[in-house]
Amino acid sequence: KQEVTQIPAALSVPEGENLVLNCSFTDSAIYNLQWFRQDPGKGLTSLLLIQSSQREQTSGRLNASLDKSSGRSTLYIAASQPGDSATYLCAVKGGNKLVFGAGTILRVKS
Amino acid sequence: GAGVSQSPSNKVTEKGKDVELRCDPISGHTALYWYRQRLGQGLEFLIYFQGNSAPDKSGLPSDRFSAERTGESVSTLTIQRTQQEDSAVYLCASSLSWSSGNTIYFGEGSWLTVV
Repeated sequence: KQEVTQIPAALSVPEGENLVLNCSFTDSAIYNLQWFRQDPGKGLTSLLLIQSSQREQTSGRLNASLDKSSGRSTLYIAASQPGDSATYLCAVKGGNKLVFGAGTILRVKS
Repeated sequence: GAGVSQSPSNKVTEKGKDVELRCDPISGHTALYWYRQRLGQGLEFLIYFQGNSAPDKSGLPSDRFSAERTGESVSTLTIQRTQQEDSAVYLCASSLSWSSGNTIYFGEGSWLTVV
């Protein structure tokens, strides 16, 4: 059974800092991994999708890496801004399911 | 439509009543997913559809939960004889297909409160 763990559970940083969010998964037989953000009371917004054959994806200030063999992914956020405050979720796709981690709650202080 | 649309956005119901939650996926998306998120918790997979078929129903919490999809479009999640532990936000998502390369897009959810 696939299990996805995200560390840290919560993070508070001052504006401008670079930060790393971690995601690990137990079964390396995945099709892809996707990072989402969730704002309070809202649905999920897709940030980056990494195929199992890829090692990283970049979008603006976001960079996500994938090491499938070790079951790890990181989301790097450069020059963080207060608008980045949200819950960040990673999800892995394998078999018939898309399995989510519990998320990292990020607060960027101005 | 432009995005995944869910209705109702909020629903308060009495314990024991049945509720229906509706999801309109992005036009042309053949894969559709339902998730449940209880307050302060992660996303719990319920069911997904490829076309009108649901290959995996193992995530449905009990036989009070059922889902269907018609015309490879609208899906309805039905909860019978609601219980207080059913209170959660029910999130629907869709993607072009189940294929690995497709981004998944979420609706804003249906917030269900059972009193």
